Amino acid sequence: KQEVTQIPAALSVPEGENLVLNCSFTDSAIYNLQWFRQDPGKGLTSLLLIQSSQREQTSGRLNASLDKSSGRSTLYIAASQPGDSATYLCAVRGGNNRKLIWGLGTSLAVNP
Amino acid sequence: GAGVSQSPRYKVAKRGQDVALRCDPISGHVSLFWYQQALGQGPEFLTYFQNEAQLDKSGLPSDRFFAERPEGSVSTLKIQRTQQEDSAVYLCASSNGGSADTQYFGPGTRLTVL
Repeated sequence: KQEVTQIPAALSVPEGENLVLNCSFTDSAIYNLQWFRQDPGKGLTSLLLIQSSQREQTSGRLNASLDKSSGRSTLYIAASQPGDSATYLCAVRGGNNRKLIWGLGTSLAVNP
Repeated sequence: GAGVSQSPRYKVAKRGQDVALRCDPISGHVSLFWYQQALGQGPEFLTYFQNEAQLDKSGLPSDRFFAERPEGSVSTLKIQRTQQEDSAVYLCASSNGGSADTQYFGPGTRLTVL
């Protein structure tokens, strides 16, 4: 059974810092991995999707990497801003079904 | 175009009541997913549809939970005889099923069962 773990559970940093969020999964037979952002009272926003054949994806200040063999993904946020404050969730889609298996998220606070 | 919409945004029910939650997917998206997110937890898969066919309902927690998508667009998640442990945010997502298969989420319905 696929399990997804995110570390750390919470993170507080001063504005401008570069930071790394970690996601690990137990079954390497994945179809893709997605990073989402969740703001309080709002839905989930997809940030980056990495296919199983890819190593990384970039969007603006965000970079996500995938090491399928070791069951790990990292989300790198460069030059963090207060507007980046949110919960970041990692979700894995298995190879033989469409459902996403989720981590518990990392709650990020970027302080001005 | 418009994103995924869900209604109501908030629902308070007394224990034992039946509730119905609605999801309007992005137009043209053939796949529709329901997730349940308890406070402080990540979402948990409930069920998904390909057009009107319910292909996976393995995540539905009990037979009190029922979902339908009769015309392959709007979907309704129904919970019968609600219990306090049903209190959660219910998220709906849709996908066009392309190779990336990105799921686009609605704002969710927050259900509180008293």
